[in-house]
Amino acid sequence: GPKVLQIPSHQIIDMGQMVTLNCDPVSNHLYFYWYKQILGQQMEFLVNFYNGKVMEKSKLFKDQFSVERPDGSYFTLKIQPTALEDSAVYFCASSVRGGQDTQYFGPGTRLLVL
Amino acid sequence: GEQVEQLPSSLIVQEGASVLINCSYTDSASVYFPWYKQEPGKRLQFIIDIRSNMERKQTQRLTLLFDKKTKHLSLHITATQPGDSAIYFCSASNNAGAKLTFGGGTRLTVRP
Repeated sequence: GPKVLQIPSHQIIDMGQMVTLNCDPVSNHLYFYWYKQILGQQMEFLVNFYNGKVMEKSKLFKDQFSVERPDGSYFTLKIQPTALEDSAVYFCASSVRGGQDTQYFGPGTRLLVL
Repeated sequence: GEQVEQLPSSLIVQEGASVLINCSYTDSASVYFPWYKQEPGKRLQFIIDIRSNMERKQTQRLTLLFDKKTKHLSLHITATQPGDSAIYFCSASNNAGAKLTFGGGTRLTVRP
Protein backbone atom coordinates (compact mmCIF):
# COMPACT_ATOMS: atom_id res chain seq x y z
CA GLY A 1 0.00 0.00 0.00
CA PRO A 2 0.96 3.70 0.05
CA LYS A 3 4.07 4.41 2.10
CA VAL A 4 4.65 7.24 4.53
CA LEU A 5 8.30 7.87 5.36
CA GLN A 6 9.71 9.26 8.60
CA ILE A 7 13.14 10.71 9.25
CA PRO A 8 15.02 10.03 11.45
CA SER A 9 14.09 6.57 12.71
CA HIS A 10 15.78 7.28 16.06
CA GLN A 11 16.82 10.46 17.81
CA ILE A 12 18.53 10.97 21.16
CA ILE A 13 18.73 14.49 22.57
CA ASP A 14 19.30 16.27 25.83
CA MET A 15 16.37 17.76 27.70
CA GLY A 16 15.80 21.38 26.76
CA GLN A 17 17.07 21.00 23.21
CA MET A 18 14.92 21.42 20.14
CA VAL A 19 14.03 18.47 17.92
CA THR A 20 12.31 18.28 14.55
CA LEU A 21 10.67 15.09 13.38
CA ASN A 22 10.14 14.81 9.64
CA CYS A 23 7.38 13.06 7.76
CA ASP A 24 7.13 12.50 4.02
CA PRO A 25 3.43 11.76 3.44
CA VAL A 26 1.89 9.91 0.51
CA SER A 27 2.09 12.22 -2.49
CA ASN A 28 -1.60 12.89 -3.18
CA HIS A 29 -2.66 13.00 0.46
CA LEU A 30 -3.98 16.23 1.92
CA TYR A 31 -4.52 15.43 5.61
CA PHE A 32 -1.64 14.80 7.97
CA TYR A 33 -1.49 13.51 11.53
CA TRP A 34 0.89 12.93 14.40
CA TYR A 35 0.36 10.29 17.08
CA LYS A 36 2.47 9.54 20.15
CA GLN A 37 3.07 6.19 21.78
CA ILE A 38 4.89 5.94 25.09
CA LEU A 39 6.44 2.51 25.66
CA GLY A 40 3.83 0.06 26.90
CA GLN A 41 0.93 2.47 26.45
CA GLN A 42 -1.77 3.07 23.83
CA MET A 43 -1.09 5.18 20.78
CA GLU A 44 -2.61 8.64 21.26
CA PHE A 45 -3.59 11.36 18.83
CA LEU A 46 -1.59 14.59 18.94
CA VAL A 47 -2.70 16.76 16.04
CA ASN A 48 -4.10 16.82 12.53
CA PHE A 49 -3.30 19.30 9.79
CA TYR A 50 -4.94 20.33 6.54
CA ASN A 51 -4.45 23.16 4.10
CA GLY A 52 -1.69 24.72 6.16
CA LYS A 53 -3.65 24.74 9.40
CA VAL A 54 -4.05 22.69 12.54
CA MET A 55 -7.58 21.27 12.45
CA GLU A 56 -7.65 19.59 15.83
CA LYS A 57 -5.18 18.97 18.64
CA SER A 58 -5.27 16.97 21.84
CA LYS A 59 -4.23 17.89 25.36
CA LEU A 60 -0.94 16.12 24.67
CA PHE A 61 -0.08 18.75 22.05
CA LYS A 62 1.62 21.11 24.45
CA ASP A 63 2.61 24.72 23.73
CA GLN A 64 6.15 23.50 23.07
CA PHE A 65 4.88 21.53 20.06
CA SER A 66 4.36 22.94 16.59
CA VAL A 67 3.63 21.49 13.16
CA GLU A 68 4.05 22.81 9.64
CA ARG A 69 4.42 21.73 6.06
CA PRO A 70 6.19 24.52 4.21
CA ASP A 71 5.66 24.48 0.43
CA GLY A 72 4.66 20.83 0.17
CA SER A 73 7.89 19.54 1.67
CA TYR A 74 8.11 17.45 4.83
CA PHE A 75 5.32 17.62 7.38
CA THR A 76 7.23 18.37 10.57
CA LEU A 77 6.67 18.11 14.29
CA LYS A 78 8.93 20.42 16.25
CA ILE A 79 9.35 20.23 20.01
CA GLN A 80 11.07 23.19 21.64
CA PRO A 81 12.18 22.79 24.36
CA THR A 82 12.01 19.04 24.90
CA ALA A 83 11.16 17.46 28.26
CA LEU A 84 11.81 13.98 29.64
CA GLU A 85 8.15 13.02 29.17
CA ASP A 86 8.45 13.64 25.44
CA SER A 87 10.35 10.36 25.11
CA ALA A 88 8.13 8.17 22.95
CA VAL A 89 7.64 6.85 19.44
CA TYR A 90 6.03 9.44 17.20
CA PHE A 91 3.99 8.18 14.27
CA CYS A 92 3.05 10.28 11.29
CA ALA A 93 0.02 9.40 9.15
CA SER A 94 -1.64 10.81 6.08
CA SER A 95 -4.94 10.42 4.25
CA VAL A 96 -6.48 11.71 1.05
CA ARG A 97 -9.44 13.19 2.84
CA GLY A 98 -10.31 13.70 6.49
CA GLY A 99 -13.37 12.15 8.06
CA GLN A 100 -13.86 8.48 7.29
CA ASP A 101 -10.80 7.96 5.17
CA THR A 102 -8.00 5.45 5.65
CA GLN A 103 -4.96 6.82 7.40
CA TYR A 104 -1.61 5.39 6.31
CA PHE A 105 1.12 5.31 8.90
CA GLY A 106 4.85 5.81 8.81
CA PRO A 107 7.25 3.50 10.69
CA GLY A 108 7.69 5.96 13.55
CA THR A 109 10.52 8.00 15.04
CA ARG A 110 11.77 6.80 18.39
CA LEU A 111 12.68 9.86 20.45
CA LEU A 112 14.69 9.58 23.65
CA VAL A 113 15.12 12.71 25.76
CA LEU A 114 17.88 12.45 28.36
CA GLY B 1 -13.48 11.77 25.33
CA GLU B 2 -13.65 8.52 23.45
CA GLN B 3 -12.21 5.40 25.07
CA VAL B 4 -11.50 2.17 23.19
CA GLU B 5 -10.88 -1.13 24.93
CA GLN B 6 -9.72 -4.40 23.42
CA LEU B 7 -9.88 -7.93 24.71
CA PRO B 8 -8.03 -10.14 24.99
CA SER B 9 -4.66 -8.42 25.30
CA SER B 10 -2.93 -11.49 23.96
CA LEU B 11 -3.83 -14.70 22.18
CA ILE B 12 -1.81 -17.79 21.25
CA VAL B 13 -3.27 -20.27 18.77
CA GLN B 14 -2.21 -23.12 16.52
CA GLU B 15 -2.04 -22.56 12.78
CA GLY B 16 -5.43 -23.10 11.19
CA ALA B 17 -7.45 -21.99 14.21
CA SER B 18 -9.95 -19.13 14.16
CA VAL B 19 -9.65 -16.19 16.53
CA LEU B 20 -11.96 -13.49 17.79
CA ILE B 21 -10.80 -10.07 18.96
CA ASN B 22 -13.29 -7.87 20.79
CA CYS B 23 -13.36 -4.11 20.89
CA SER B 24 -15.67 -1.70 22.70
CA TYR B 25 -15.96 2.07 22.56
CA THR B 26 -17.75 4.70 24.62
CA ASP B 27 -18.57 7.67 22.39
CA SER B 28 -21.82 7.31 20.45
CA ALA B 29 -20.54 10.00 18.05
CA SER B 30 -17.91 7.59 16.69
CA VAL B 31 -18.86 6.46 13.19
CA TYR B 32 -15.74 5.00 11.62
CA PHE B 33 -13.73 2.05 12.90
CA PRO B 34 -10.52 1.10 11.11
CA TRP B 35 -8.40 -1.83 12.27
CA TYR B 36 -4.66 -2.05 11.92
CA LYS B 37 -2.07 -4.76 12.24
CA GLN B 38 1.51 -4.21 13.37
CA GLU B 39 4.07 -6.93 12.78
CA PRO B 40 7.26 -6.81 14.86
CA GLY B 41 9.45 -3.89 13.81
CA LYS B 42 7.04 -2.75 11.09
CA ARG B 43 4.57 0.09 10.61
CA LEU B 44 0.85 -0.06 11.31
CA GLN B 45 -0.86 -1.65 8.33
CA PHE B 46 -4.54 -0.99 7.60
CA ILE B 47 -6.47 -4.27 7.34
CA ILE B 48 -10.20 -3.58 7.43
CA ASP B 49 -12.70 -0.91 8.45
CA ILE B 50 -16.42 -0.51 9.03
CA ARG B 51 -18.76 2.44 9.21
CA SER B 52 -21.60 2.85 11.65
CA ASN B 53 -24.25 2.33 8.96
CA MET B 54 -23.05 -1.25 8.45
CA GLU B 55 -23.26 -4.37 10.60
CA ARG B 56 -20.77 -6.60 8.88
CA LYS B 57 -17.83 -6.45 6.52
CA GLN B 58 -15.78 -9.29 5.16
CA THR B 59 -12.52 -9.42 3.25
CA GLN B 60 -10.70 -12.68 2.59
CA ARG B 61 -10.15 -14.31 6.02
CA LEU B 62 -11.32 -11.30 8.03
CA THR B 63 -14.89 -10.63 9.17
CA LEU B 64 -15.69 -7.50 11.13
CA LEU B 65 -18.97 -7.26 13.02
CA PHE B 66 -20.38 -4.04 14.43
CA ASP B 67 -23.14 -3.56 16.99
CA LYS B 68 -24.07 0.10 17.32
CA LYS B 69 -26.47 -0.53 20.18
CA THR B 70 -23.88 -2.13 22.44
CA LYS B 71 -20.94 -0.10 21.03
CA HIS B 72 -19.08 -3.28 20.31
CA LEU B 73 -17.02 -4.66 17.44
CA SER B 74 -15.47 -8.04 16.88
CA LEU B 75 -12.83 -9.10 14.39
CA HIS B 76 -12.90 -12.73 13.34
CA ILE B 77 -9.84 -14.19 11.62
CA THR B 78 -10.21 -17.66 10.11
CA ALA B 79 -7.58 -20.20 9.06
CA THR B 80 -4.80 -18.36 10.85
CA GLN B 81 -1.23 -18.60 9.57
CA PRO B 82 2.09 -17.80 11.29
CA GLY B 83 2.22 -14.66 9.12
CA ASP B 84 -0.86 -13.39 10.96
CA SER B 85 1.24 -13.04 14.11
CA ALA B 86 1.12 -9.35 15.00
CA ILE B 87 -0.50 -6.82 17.29
CA TYR B 88 -4.01 -5.93 16.13
CA PHE B 89 -5.40 -2.50 16.94
CA CYS B 90 -9.03 -1.38 16.92
CA SER B 91 -9.64 2.36 16.52
CA ALA B 92 -12.54 4.76 16.37
CA SER B 93 -13.19 8.24 15.03
CA ASN B 94 -16.11 10.61 14.67
CA ASN B 95 -17.04 12.09 11.34
CA ALA B 96 -15.43 15.44 11.80
CA GLY B 97 -11.83 15.49 12.86
CA ALA B 98 -10.71 12.03 11.76
CA LYS B 99 -8.55 11.71 14.84
CA LEU B 100 -8.27 8.05 15.69
CA THR B 101 -8.62 6.77 19.24
CA PHE B 102 -6.82 3.46 19.55
CA GLY B 103 -7.36 0.46 21.76
CA GLY B 104 -4.47 -1.08 23.61
CA GLY B 105 -3.95 -3.80 21.03
CA THR B 106 -4.25 -7.59 20.95
CA ARG B 107 -1.04 -9.51 20.49
CA LEU B 108 -1.76 -12.59 18.34
CA THR B 109 0.78 -15.40 18.10
CA VAL B 110 0.08 -18.20 15.60
CA ARG B 111 2.20 -21.28 16.15
CA PRO B 112 3.05 -23.50 13.15
